[in-house]
Amino acid sequence: RKEVEQDPGPFNVPEGATVAFNCTYSNSASQSFFWYRQDCRKEPKLLMSVYSSGNEDGRFTAQLNRASQYISLLIRDSKLSDSATYLCAVNNEKAGANNLFFGTGTRLTVIP
Amino acid sequence: AAGVIQSPRHLIKEKRETATLKCYPIPRHDTVYWYQQGPGQDPQFLISFYEKMQSDKGSIPDRFSAQQFSDYHSELNMSSLELGDSALYFCASSLGPLKPQHFGDGTRLSIL
Repeated sequence: RKEVEQDPGPFNVPEGATVAFNCTYSNSASQSFFWYRQDCRKEPKLLMSVYSSGNEDGRFTAQLNRASQYISLLIRDSKLSDSATYLCAVNNEKAGANNLFFGTGTRLTVIP
Repeated sequence: AAGVIQSPRHLIKEKRETATLKCYPIPRHDTVYWYQQGPGQDPQFLISFYEKMQSDKGSIPDRFSAQQFSDYHSELNMSSLELGDSALYFCASSLGPLKPQHFGDGTRLSIL
């Protein structure tokens, strides 16, 4: 079983729509959670960290549910420029380790 | 703002050759990570360094090695290259373990 699971999509939504992605993780000891955005053949770009209390950055809202071991990303008022693959990432800190485990990514296409 | 610099951007090699990829982290970042991303795959963690010491090892083949130098830049050395090594190789850096990782543009390695 992968450390991090995501619905690969694709999600095709009209401009202005609200879309939500979920991501589950397997290690209950995970401490740090992130959402990255990746455009085709480009590097992952940090979108936002995910905090226990939930956090918002403009049209983007991230939430963490430790009990159910999932994180979510909500995008409101979708723009064409939001079209990309969204990767959730979990940092599993065990003794001496601090790497990121990525989900397979969810492909979003915003349609005019 | 300065970002993670990777070189070269593109590299073409033949089977059984060697390759060296370079990574210059964001200034003041002391932690460097290497990831491999195959076509349609999520980034897979290879290896990381914190303060010039290896801090974690992922799915890095024995044919690969890496190190972090006194100026914090890192090099990934790859030997006996195989067709399956063709991928995007990303370097990321962070200001300490568990902190958000910022990715370079990547090196696209093609093995003929």
